[in-house]
Amino acid sequence: GDSVTQMEGPVTLSEEAFLTINCTYTATGYPSLFWYVQYPGEGLQLLLKATKADDKGSNKGFEATYRKETTSFHLEKGSVQVSDSAVYFCALSARASGYALNFGKGTSLLVTP
Amino acid sequence: GAVVSQHPSWVICKSGTSVKIECRSLDFQATTMFWYRQFPKQSLMLMATSNEGSKATYEQGVEKDKFLINHASLTLSTLTVTSAHPEDSSFYICSARDSHRGSEAFFGQGTRLTVV
Repeated sequence: GDSVTQMEGPVTLSEEAFLTINCTYTATGYPSLFWYVQYPGEGLQLLLKATKADDKGSNKGFEATYRKETTSFHLEKGSVQVSDSAVYFCALSARASGYALNFGKGTSLLVTP
Repeated sequence: GAVVSQHPSWVICKSGTSVKIECRSLDFQATTMFWYRQFPKQSLMLMATSNEGSKATYEQGVEKDKFLINHASLTLSTLTVTSAHPEDSSFYICSARDSHRGSEAFFGQGTRLTVV
């Protein structure tokens, strides 16, 4: 079945450092890909998405490009802030599964001043 | 647009009692609703999918008699945890999708259930 694999955390970075969180997927067909963010004690917020190959999703300085050839959707940000500290989930949805989201295990990010 | 309201945001109940969680789509018709469960420091796991007016489809390993899902209208779905036990303590999150508006589903705020 479909699955998402993302890098294990926790990731600790200094403020203004470059961030990459790797995400790869396996899926039949053409899934949509998402990054969600969860701040401590809160629900999920959609960070960005891409619905087809070569699409780039971007929001709040974060970017991810849907790479079909490498089945990847890596999350990047050029300069992280302390307020970016959260857990980040990569996810996919596909028509075959009724568009339910299939999540990766999550990557905890801690940004220190 | 596309707001999903989940209530309550947290609840504490005694072991053996039942708890109902509501998920409402406020400004669109939710033809499909999804219920997820998240244990501390873990990912979200899909529990069940419900289409309006139909019985929910449960994922493998999820007890349908314990987690009762009702999706009787296009704006409301409920999850009832029956005879709750401490091991049911978790974060429950719903999401809703309008099939006429594409594939994206929108999340509620989540409900933290603690069974004592």
